[in-house]
Amino acid sequence: AQTVTQSQPEMSVQEAETVTLSCTYDTSESDYYLFWYKQPPSRQMILVIRQEAYKQQNATENRFSVNFQKAAKSFSLKISDSQLGDAAMYFCAYRSATSGTYKYIFGTGTRLKVLA
Amino acid sequence: DTGVSQNPRHKITKRGQNVTFRCDPISEHNRLYWYRQTLGQGPEFLTYFQNEAQLEKSRLLSDRFSAERPKGSFSTLEIQRTEQGDSAMYLCASSFTPGTGNTGELFFGEGSRLTVL
Repeated sequence: AQTVTQSQPEMSVQEAETVTLSCTYDTSESDYYLFWYKQPPSRQMILVIRQEAYKQQNATENRFSVNFQKAAKSFSLKISDSQLGDAAMYFCAYRSATSGTYKYIFGTGTRLKVLA
Repeated sequence: DTGVSQNPRHKITKRGQNVTFRCDPISEHNRLYWYRQTLGQGPEFLTYFQNEAQLEKSRLLSDRFSAERPKGSFSTLEIQRTEQGDSAMYLCASSFTPGTGNTGELFFGEGSRLTVL
């Protein structure tokens, strides 16, 4: 069974600085998708960035980028120029692309605090 | 369409009572998911539907939980004989079926918070 691990329960970053959130996963599959979701306080979860496992190039969305290391099964999220609005819970998620199951498996999350 | 809608947003009930939550997905989406989230944890998969068919159900889900999506549109999640351990946020999400050019990303509702006294 696939698992997703986020080992940092909480992180802090100074406004305008850069922070990296870690995520590791375990799978025997070769084709899958990885996601980072953001959950602001009392608001719904929204997609931040996605990565297809077959793509070697790391995904980037404005200030958000990932460092995808397939062999190491690592998928970290880098937030550049942090803003107060980035404060939230961040969840790493995995979804198989081949096994016939389309459920998403989430990590336990990292709470990001942004300091003014 | 403004997104995934869940009702009620909050429900307080006494142990042993039945509760039902409703989810209205984004209208073009044919997949609908239910997750449960407790404090300090990530969302835990409960079940998902492709149109009206329930394709997968978590083995962690007891038979007190049942979900339906009768016409492939809205869905209901019912919890019978609630227990204090059922207290959680119940999240609904919808998506397109994954395919070419579409990773089937999830769009979440704001959740229904259940408190069992």
